[in-house]
Amino acid sequence: ILNVEQSPQSLHVQEGDSTNFTCSFPSSNFYALHWYRWETAKSPEALFVMTLNGDEKKKGRISATLNTKEGYSYLYIKGSQPEDSATYLCATGGADGLTFGKGTHLIIQP
Amino acid sequence: DAGITQSPRHKVTETGTPVTLRCHQTENHRYMYWYRQDPGHGLRLIHYSYGVKDTDKGEVSDGYSVSRSKTEDFLLTLESATSSQTSVYFCAISEEDSRNQPQHFGDGTRLSIL
Repeated sequence: ILNVEQSPQSLHVQEGDSTNFTCSFPSSNFYALHWYRWETAKSPEALFVMTLNGDEKKKGRISATLNTKEGYSYLYIKGSQPEDSATYLCATGGADGLTFGKGTHLIIQP
Repeated sequence: DAGITQSPRHKVTETGTPVTLRCHQTENHRYMYWYRQDPGHGLRLIHYSYGVKDTDKGEVSDGYSVSRSKTEDFLLTLESATSSQTSVYFCAISEEDSRNQPQHFGDGTRLSIL
C-alpha cells in the first residue's frame, strides 16, 4: 500500500492571495500523479495527470509541478477566488488503481 | 460530465442483510473502480475492473465482492453488511488505466448500516 501524504490538512486564504500545497509520495515504482478538486456536495473532478519528472501543468489559475526523484508535487493557485474553495486530493498509482491522500481543505475568505 | 450513474443514492439497511450498489456508465470506458470515503481517510480502493469479467482487489476488499457482466455496469455487493461498512461509496471510470488517464467519478452512494 502506497503512502500518500498531503499538507497542510486545511488552509484559509484571503481572496486574491496566491497559495500552494504539497503532495508527497514514494518515489520508487512511480507511474503517475493525479490531482483532483472536490467541492462540497459534488464528486471529485480531475485537474491533472502528471507522469514525467519536471512536468508542469496549468489550467487557468491552477498549476502543478512534479518531482518524481524526491517524491513530491506542488499545486499552486494564483489569485484565489471563492469558487476555489474545495478539498484538493492527490493520488498516485498505476495499472491497479489509485492511492489517495487525505486532501487539503482550502477555504477562501472574502 | 462523464455519464456515470450510481444507484441507489442513499440506503439505510440493517446489519446482516445483503446490499448491492450499482454503477452504470455510458462512456464505454474499460476501467471501473469502487472506492469508499470515510472521515479521517482518503478515498480507498475496494475493487476495480479492467474489462468484462476481469476484476481485482483493492486496498480494502474484505467483506465486498464485485461483478462486471457487461461493459456499462459494475456491481458492488456486501454479502452480509456490517456497521463498519457504513460509508459513502464512489464509483469511478477511466478510459484506460491510471498511468496516464484521469478517473471520472459518480455522485456517490451514502450507505448506513444500523
